[in-house]
Parts: sequence; structure tokens; C-alpha cells
Amino acid sequence: EAQVTQNPRYLITVTGKKLTVTCSQNMNHEYMSWYRQDPGLGLRQIYYSMNVEATDKGDVPEGYKVSRKEKRNFPLILESPSPNQTSLYFCASGTGASYEQYFGPGTRLTVT
Amino acid sequence: KQEVTQIPAALSVPEGENLVLNCSFTDSAIYNLQWFRQDPGKGLTSLLLIQSSQREQTSGRLNASLDKSSGRSTLYIAASQPGDSATYLCAVTGFQKLVFGTGTRLLVSP
Repeated sequence: EAQVTQNPRYLITVTGKKLTVTCSQNMNHEYMSWYRQDPGLGLRQIYYSMNVEATDKGDVPEGYKVSRKEKRNFPLILESPSPNQTSLYFCASGTGASYEQYFGPGTRLTVT
Repeated sequence: KQEVTQIPAALSVPEGENLVLNCSFTDSAIYNLQWFRQDPGKGLTSLLLIQSSQREQTSGRLNASLDKSSGRSTLYIAASQPGDSATYLCAVTGFQKLVFGTGTRLLVSP
């Protein structure tokens, strides 16, 4: 089954404790991206990747890092999480940015 | 900067009614427009994608139109059902990203 998977689905952590949210797709897509969803603000892009070893900032990259060492994986790293990063995070993939995007199930992160 | 607006923010209708959801965007330089459905606690499901050169797309009871020059798209849902209850999001594709509206929360009552 073609899908985008994210882990964990739910995470509660404390300020400053490094964490990684994994994202994996099995559709051989070149393009992957991360979004956060906040009430009243909608989904906003954090980072995107056009291919292996090619990443770039989206609209709200502060406090986040990403890497793309393999085509199927695109982890999101929060090296020192803060409460304002409490949000619902989505990973997406597609053949390219201008093609249909497939989204993962989301990761709900709470930083206390 | 691209801005996407969806009106109304919430909509409640009885089962069987036909309805229209609206999406407007400020910059007509888009590659395509996608409509998504989001259920509570779940991810986004792509419903329809309209390329910038197209005027409309249909899938079952759903029909989406695109008027790029006026910066508008509509999602028409025919004969609504309780299972259509969800939040509907539109997103326009610009350079390397989707720009989303904040969604319309739809409730269809039996």
C-alpha cells in the first residue's frame, strides 16, 4: 500500500529535550516536506526536500532541522524544543512540488 | 505573498443538501490547486487536484472548479451525507510548497 508514515503519532516532552520525528514514504517520491498545523493559522511549511541531500527552508524553519540521506526518509529534528513548537506536524511527499501531495497521519507534539 | 482564504469557516447542513465550499487566493501564479479532507485525529486525504490549465475536476459527488484569473475555486458536494462531515482544506501550489487555507468545518446531520 502506497503510504507516508510518521512516528511517533503522539509525543509529550519537556523543554530542551532533543527529539526526532521520523517520516518515511514507499512511493519513490523525490519531493518531501514538513508542515505544522496550528489553530487559526492553517498548515505552514517548515522545510522541504527536492531530492537526497537537497533540503531548503520553508516559511517557519526556526527551531527545526531536517536531513535527507535516503530518498524514502525525511526526519524532522527539534534539537531544543520549546512550548511554542507544540503543534500537529505533517509530513508529505510527491513526485514533485507541483504534483499531487500525499500526507502522513500527523504527529501531535506537546512541549511542556 | 500568497494568501488563501476559505469561507465559510464552518457549515452545518441536513443530509441530502447540495453545498458549495469556497476558496480564494491572492496570487494567480499557481501550478495547481488541491482540495483535501481532514478528519479529526487523522491526516489529510487528497480529494481533487486541478492543474492551473484546467477549469474543473470531478470525482463522484465532488466537483471542483478553478478560475485562476479571479483567484477562486469552489468545491461542490452533491447530495451530502453524514460521512462527509470533516474539515475541507484547499491549497494552492506555488514554488516548492503548498499554501493552505484554514479550512471549512462541515457537519452534515442525519
